[in-house]
Amino acid sequence: KNEVEQSPQNLTAQEGEFITINCSYSVGISALHWLQQHPGGGIVSLFMLSSGKKKHGRLIATINIQEKHSSLHITASHPRDSAVYICAVSWGGTSYGKLTFGQGTILTVHP
Amino acid sequence: EPEVTQTPSHQVTQMGQEVILRCVPISNHLYFYWYRQILGQKVEFLVSFYNNEISEKSEIFDDQFSVERPDGSNFTLKIRSTKLEDSAMYFCASRSGELFFGEGSRLTVL
Repeated sequence: KNEVEQSPQNLTAQEGEFITINCSYSVGISALHWLQQHPGGGIVSLFMLSSGKKKHGRLIATINIQEKHSSLHITASHPRDSAVYICAVSWGGTSYGKLTFGQGTILTVHP
Repeated sequence: EPEVTQTPSHQVTQMGQEVILRCVPISNHLYFYWYRQILGQKVEFLVSFYNNEISEKSEIFDDQFSVERPDGSNFTLKIRSTKLEDSAMYFCASRSGELFFGEGSRLTVL
């Protein structure tokens, strides 16, 4: 059974700080997803990774398949980045959407 | 930008009542999913649906749950006889490549 662990569980930052959220999983996967959950509850997919690194704006996601570890970085954080960030893994093929989710990291960015 | 829409956004029901949660996936997507999140807990996978049939389901998705694609646009989750523990936020998602989530339907069972 694949377990997904995130750290930290809570993160408070000042505007402009560089933020890192970590995700570890226990079993080999096909893909890892980083999701953002808004205060209202809605979920947005940020990245889907199977190897290497992806960048979108101020967000960067990396994955190390050998170490079963991924990180989400936010550069120049802003109060609007305040949300819950969730790591989830899947095994591809017909199991692509059968995600196992981490518990989420609550990020609060103060102005 | 294309989006997955869910209705209702919030439903309150009495224990034992049937509930149908509706989702309109993105039009050219072929794979559809339901997830749920009990307050304060992790999001959990319920079921995946492809080619008009269930492709995978979790242990949570017992006989009380069913999914249907009654027409070319809607994808529904039915809970036949709701229990208190069914109170949760239910998310629909669809994909062609990238996964897109809806805003969720909050179900409160009294």
